[in-house]
Amino acid sequence: DAGITQSPRHKVTETGTPVTLRCHQTENHRYMYWYRQDPGHGLRLIHYSYGVKDTDKGEVSDGYSVSRSKTEDFLLTLESATSSQTSVYFCAISDRQGNTGELFFGEGSRLTVL
Amino acid sequence: AQSVTQPDIHITVSEGASLELRCNYSYGATPYLFWYVQSPGQGLQLLLKYFSGDTLVQGIKGFEAEFKRSQSSFNLRKPSVHWSDAAEYFCAVGALEYGNKLVFGAGTILRVKS
Repeated sequence: DAGITQSPRHKVTETGTPVTLRCHQTENHRYMYWYRQDPGHGLRLIHYSYGVKDTDKGEVSDGYSVSRSKTEDFLLTLESATSSQTSVYFCAISDRQGNTGELFFGEGSRLTVL
Repeated sequence: AQSVTQPDIHITVSEGASLELRCNYSYGATPYLFWYVQSPGQGLQLLLKYFSGDTLVQGIKGFEAEFKRSQSSFNLRKPSVHWSDAAEYFCAVGALEYGNKLVFGAGTILRVKS
């Protein structure tokens, strides 16, 4: 199994509070992604990174920011959580561009915003 | 913009029966096509992928998929389903022209009855 660790795995928070989810990899892969999974929508890309300090937006990036200061860590921040951000968040990594290479997924972080 | 349609939200098959999960994509370029599987509470795992060449691709766990350009389809098949195949299946599409992104379908939940 790919070495991907997401933390926390479960979190309950209140509307308006900041939340940071962490993805840590031990594979030294260049590309890292954050997806959210919601019933009926599959997985939707939030943000991705193609190197240290290099990030770009996905299709559902509003309300989210990311940072990647080290190859192994990719952080997803909700500056002010809203109930619509209740979801399961998955981190994925790849050693090639995500549209051509296999993505390896973490086990997910379930976030509930009350 | 690229899109992926999985017409069946749920499918139930008997153990030992054959399976076909449908995937249609909308794309203006040559697509890269993937099928992923997600067991409950887990991340996604790649079953198979198509980039070019033979339009019938073999994957893990006895799955195969056929790329049909004329129908914009990439259907997943298995000749004999096992109870352990119960999971959610996602079709995904990427292309160089659309950057470093995969677009996922909404998923098909497979139930296997004994």
